[in-house]
Parts: sequence; structure tokens; C-alpha cells
Amino acid sequence: SQQGEEDPQALSIQEGENATMNCSYKTSINNLQWYRQNSGRGLVHLILIRSNEREKHSGRLRVTLDTSKKSSSLLITASRAADTASYFCATKDTGRRALTFGSGTRLQVQP
Amino acid sequence: SAVISQKPSRDICQRGTSLTIQCQVDSQVTMMFWYRQQPGQSLTLIATANQGSEATYESGFVIDKFPISRPNLTFSTLTVSNMSPEDSSIYLCSAQDSDYGYTFGSGTRLTVV
Repeated sequence: SQQGEEDPQALSIQEGENATMNCSYKTSINNLQWYRQNSGRGLVHLILIRSNEREKHSGRLRVTLDTSKKSSSLLITASRAADTASYFCATKDTGRRALTFGSGTRLQVQP
Repeated sequence: SAVISQKPSRDICQRGTSLTIQCQVDSQVTMMFWYRQQPGQSLTLIATANQGSEATYESGFVIDKFPISRPNLTFSTLTVSNMSPEDSSIYLCSAQDSDYGYTFGSGTRLTVV
């Protein structure tokens, strides 16, 4: 399956600033999820947005979904050094059971 | 959500040998998945493992190279066979434990020398 693209590939910001990551995908989806990965380890689920939703919030996270443009964005507000990680979007494509992952954004938050 | 114990967490292996990675889930799950993550890259699906049937492999992955077992609803193994340095990657297992919920093992970092 084709992976989606994420941009930027890498992002470096100062603590307290907001971080925005974008994801584009190619197929029809049931939902889109965002995951965080620290230092090449396992993935931690952050937030899920269904295909009939446009925006969702969870703590400092805000995710948007535009199915007409096949794109999503993840906003992390008031970033912390502990937010330093790689972030991946993943789609649950219609008719598939596995997730399809985007290319990822490496976020560095400078203290 | 389900919790997956994956082992080994890392290994350094000689080329030409095989390594078997194990994933144990703390609850019964129907679907399990195996991913490969090459250095600095995203996750690529290797195969889907459904209990009681042969694993379904994605394009570019074959059973002879990546045999998978799924003997019950809580366990799965992935073997990386006849390894070469190009197989050096992180391998992750995943389980679908609800309509929307996926959980991941902590990954196996494989280095082939």
C-alpha cells in the first residue's frame, strides 16, 4: 500500500512554541490516527479522528481532517522538551485491517 | 487496551543466520500485524497474521524470508531468515484490539553484521 507524506520531515522549535505537522494520504479512509515514537521504540497512540469528523482536541493536541483534500494536521501547543520524538500519521484505509503509516515528522523541542 | 510484550528488544546477528521475534498479547486479539522500520524511515507492513490461517504478505515480502506463526489468539512470531545487512531494521508487531484501537510492541532493533 502507498504511504502518505508528512511535512515537514523535521522540525526544530523552542519550548513553549507550537508545533504543526501535516499529513497527506491517498486512499479512502475510515479514520486517521497520530502516533508518537521515541528513539525508534514502540509507538504510542495519541489521537484518532474519524472520517466524518473535522477537528478533535485532546489536551495540548489538536488534529484536523480534510477528507476532500486527503490531508490532516496535528498541532501540539505549548511544546515541551519531552515532546521531542517522531510523529506519524496512520490511516485505516477502507477495506484494509492494517494501518498505513505516513513518512513521519521528527520534532526536536529545544529547552 | 491490550499490552504487547515483544522480545528480544535488540539483537546483533551474523549474516546468513535467522532470528525469531516473539510477541505476546495480554488479551485475545483476532488480528496481528508485523511491520519493518528501516533506519530513519516509516513503518512498512510486512504481513497480517490471523489466527488459524496463513499470514497475508504485502508486496515485496515473502513467506520464505519472513515466516510467521500465529498458534493462538495471544501469540505470534516473525522469523527473519538468511539475514543480510539489508535486514537491519526495527521490527514491530501490532494487534488490533477494537474496531479503532491498535497497540504496538516496543520493537526489536536488529543489526546484521
